[in-house]
Amino acid sequence: QKEVEQDPGPLSVPEGAIVSLNCTYSNSAFQYFMWYRQYSRKGPELLMYTYSSGNKEDGRFTAQVDKSSKYISLFIRDSQPSDSATYLCAMSFSGGGADGLTFGKGTHLIIQP
Amino acid sequence: NAGVTQTPKFQVLKTGQSMTLQCAQDMNHNSMYWYRQDPGMGLRLIYYSASEGTTDKGEVPNGYNVSRLNKREFSLRLESAAPSQTSVYFCASSRVDYGYTFGSGTRLTVV
Repeated sequence: QKEVEQDPGPLSVPEGAIVSLNCTYSNSAFQYFMWYRQYSRKGPELLMYTYSSGNKEDGRFTAQVDKSSKYISLFIRDSQPSDSATYLCAMSFSGGGADGLTFGKGTHLIIQP
Repeated sequence: NAGVTQTPKFQVLKTGQSMTLQCAQDMNHNSMYWYRQDPGMGLRLIYYSASEGTTDKGEVPNGYNVSRLNKREFSLRLESAAPSQTSVYFCASSRVDYGYTFGSGTRLTVV
């Protein structure tokens, strides 16, 4: 089973706010967790890549993984209008190649100037 | 560094026609993938190739075939296109312990 649940939104917040995006999943065998950003009519772009539980920070972005709750989050600090996009969570059993990624359906984020 | 390059970017086919979507990566990645993206369905894996010389079915392989031509190139073929195959197709590649890199997509309409 490979279900990944993600609220489709849209989520609309004012510029400068902290954004919280979340996914839940059902298969405890997932080990690798990613967040992608997709602008309209473009391909997904990797934002964050994490292994197992814990936090990872990169600039304004923080990814959290809680494997015990089967819950992952992406936080965006000091949100900008250029952050307006669809955010996709993704996960896999292996580190690269054996099984492909399972995606959530994406959350549409709108940052209001 | 071009990353993952897909051709064509747009295509309109008539039902029953065939076509091949091309994908090439220049990052020396071992694994390559084909996904389709449909409204409300998200990204779904069609086929993947874990390494040169191997291919495996993903979640939605029916109606498609693939060829891993060499380490750089992975093509997707529609032998007899159907309206249900109208979608945006993305090719991706990956290496161990790193996320996937996606191409810019091919928008296919089957009428």
